[in-house]
Amino acid sequence: SQQGEEDPQALSIQEGENATMNCSYKTSINNLQWYRQNSGRGLVHLILIRSNEREKHSGRLRVTLDTSKKSSSLLITASRAADTASYFCATSTGGGNKLTFGTGTQLKVEL
Amino acid sequence: SAVISQKPSRDICQRGTSLTIQCQVDSQVTMMFWYRQQPGQSLTLIATANQGSEATYESGFVIDKFPISRPNLTFSTLTVSNMSPEDSSIYLCSGAGGNTEAFFGQGTRLTVV
Repeated sequence: SQQGEEDPQALSIQEGENATMNCSYKTSINNLQWYRQNSGRGLVHLILIRSNEREKHSGRLRVTLDTSKKSSSLLITASRAADTASYFCATSTGGGNKLTFGTGTQLKVEL
Repeated sequence: SAVISQKPSRDICQRGTSLTIQCQVDSQVTMMFWYRQQPGQSLTLIATANQGSEATYESGFVIDKFPISRPNLTFSTLTVSNMSPEDSSIYLCSGAGGNTEAFFGQGTRLTVV
């Protein structure tokens, strides 16, 4: 079953604006990862945030994690048309790195 | 991060036939996994591919339908057996260490007609 729920399901913004996607999950986690998928192809790893971390940055990406609320957010600043894709959060629990994926957010960045 | 080569990238198959998908990782990884992504949906874990032993399947997936091999730390195959149109999906393999990022192959887009 899907553990993560993401909102919004779809987001349409203008180039240069910021995009924020939210992910909620149900159980304790080891880490939470964000991925991008272009047109149903393979997943590109964006950021991993561990359960003892609260915020991470990578370039134009900022991820927060609130384990008390079992939620995470992904912020993409100064969006570009090339950011148009589906974004998924995925949680890892227990040993290893078996992932449970969220429902995904479809982001469209218009020129 | 490691690179996973997955093939075929896509295939169109007749119902009742089987397709084997291969994944090759360019370095040894502790864990390998197989996921399915049905049209317009998110990813669902099929199984954990265990080196030298039977795969560990998630609820709703069985070995007879999705036999998996992992003869070594860098290679795994997934077979989709006795296919029906409901098996039309993207199948993705993944490799990972412990509490580190998981990386994915480019996926196999399967259409069953």
